[in-house]
Amino acid sequence: KQEVTQIPAALSVPEGENLVLNCSFTDSAIYNLQWFRQDPGKGLTSLLLIQSSQREQTSGRLNASLDKSSGRSTLYIAASQPGDSATYLCAVFIIQGAQKLVFGQGTRLTINP
Amino acid sequence: DGGITQSPKYLFRKEGQNVTLSCEQNLNHDAMYWYRQDPGQGLRLIYYSQIVNDFQKGDIAEGYSVSREKKESFPLTVTSAQKNPTAFYLCASSPEWSYNEQFFGPGTRLTVL
Repeated sequence: KQEVTQIPAALSVPEGENLVLNCSFTDSAIYNLQWFRQDPGKGLTSLLLIQSSQREQTSGRLNASLDKSSGRSTLYIAASQPGDSATYLCAVFIIQGAQKLVFGQGTRLTINP
Repeated sequence: DGGITQSPKYLFRKEGQNVTLSCEQNLNHDAMYWYRQDPGQGLRLIYYSQIVNDFQKGDIAEGYSVSREKKESFPLTVTSAQKNPTAFYLCASSPEWSYNEQFFGPGTRLTVL
């Protein structure tokens, strides 16, 4: 059974710092990996999608990497801003058995001005 | 504006009542999904639909029902058989099954009184 873990559960850093969020998954048989952002009481916003054949994707100050063989992904946020404060979720799309996204429980990020 | 809409934003249900949550998308996406989010847990898949007039059970389908009569609409009914329906419900869609970047609506918070 695929399990997705995000550590730490919460992170607080000063504004301007570069930071890394971690995501690990137990089964390397994934179709893709997606990073999302969720603000309190809101839906999810898709940040980056990495196909299983790719190693990384970039969008603005965000860079996500994928190492399928080790079951790890990282989301790098450069020059953090208070507006980056949110919960960040990673999810893997599996294609064996029921085809679905399996989510981690998220990292709650706070950027302090 | 293209996107996914969910209504209502807040819903209150009495014990024994069925309620229906609306999800509409104008993105021309083939696939649609329903997830449930509980505090401290990751998102869990309730039902999904790859194409009109077809849908499949997810991990926690008991006590829920769906229909997919139109491409743009995927309503979810929470029946009285669902023993603990209080949760945040999220609808998502993706362009097609083989390209599974999922986009989410704003969510409906259901509370049982």
